[in-house]
Amino acid sequence: EVQVVQSGGGLVQPGGSLRLSCVASGFTFTNYAMSWVRQAPGRGLEWVSGVPAGGDYTYYADSVKGRFTISTDNSKNTLYLQMHSLRVDDTAVYYCAKDIISGRLVAGSCDYWGQGTLVTVSS
Amino acid sequence: QSALTQPASVSGSPGQSITISCTGTSSDIGAYNYVSWYLQHPGKAPKLLIYDVANRPSGISNRFSGSKSGNTASLTISGLQAEDEADYYCGSFTSSGTWVFGGGTKLTVL
Repeated sequence: EVQVVQSGGGLVQPGGSLRLSCVASGFTFTNYAMSWVRQAPGRGLEWVSGVPAGGDYTYYADSVKGRFTISTDNSKNTLYLQMHSLRVDDTAVYYCAKDIISGRLVAGSCDYWGQGTLVTVSS
Repeated sequence: QSALTQPASVSGSPGQSITISCTGTSSDIGAYNYVSWYLQHPGKAPKLLIYDVANRPSGISNRFSGSKSGNTASLTISGLQAEDEADYYCGSFTSSGTWVFGGGTKLTVL
């Protein structure tokens, strides 16, 4: 059974840092692209960052480029999102998600999602 | 990376068909056949309905269908049911190697 389980998140002050984790199981982690997607309260979905199958490259939305870093630990089937210089407008539920097709560059057609974790940036 | 354009809301009666449009540019929808559609109920994670313009994942009803013409993709829901009431999002791969979502469409079943 495919599972994607997230951890991390919480309340942080503006300018602070936070790391999100996402542990995957039930599929060959290195064969699938993975993405982080966020949703601010009452707002729509926003793609944040992604790694391709194999994780050799990283991609970011302009809104987080230079502040967020996506990474993987293939030995632990884990996806991370390290967030620095957090701003109030980074407040959102963050989801990690797996692409439905193996070998893709960007996970945008995601068939399995984590449970979501709330990141609140506030003083 | 501008968001794709979707109508804010659509509505229909049970049994009817509705179509939600998603307009992008020649750098995203118009350039690739990598368009997806999601359904999201309040407080839940998105659920994949359509990928690669017109493909349905296993378990998704054939009442949901997708298409694309030029820079615009469309999701059609036939035989509308009360349970279809939700928010719907389109998404597309972009020439920057990133992914972009639409602003979302709220479907009301009358």
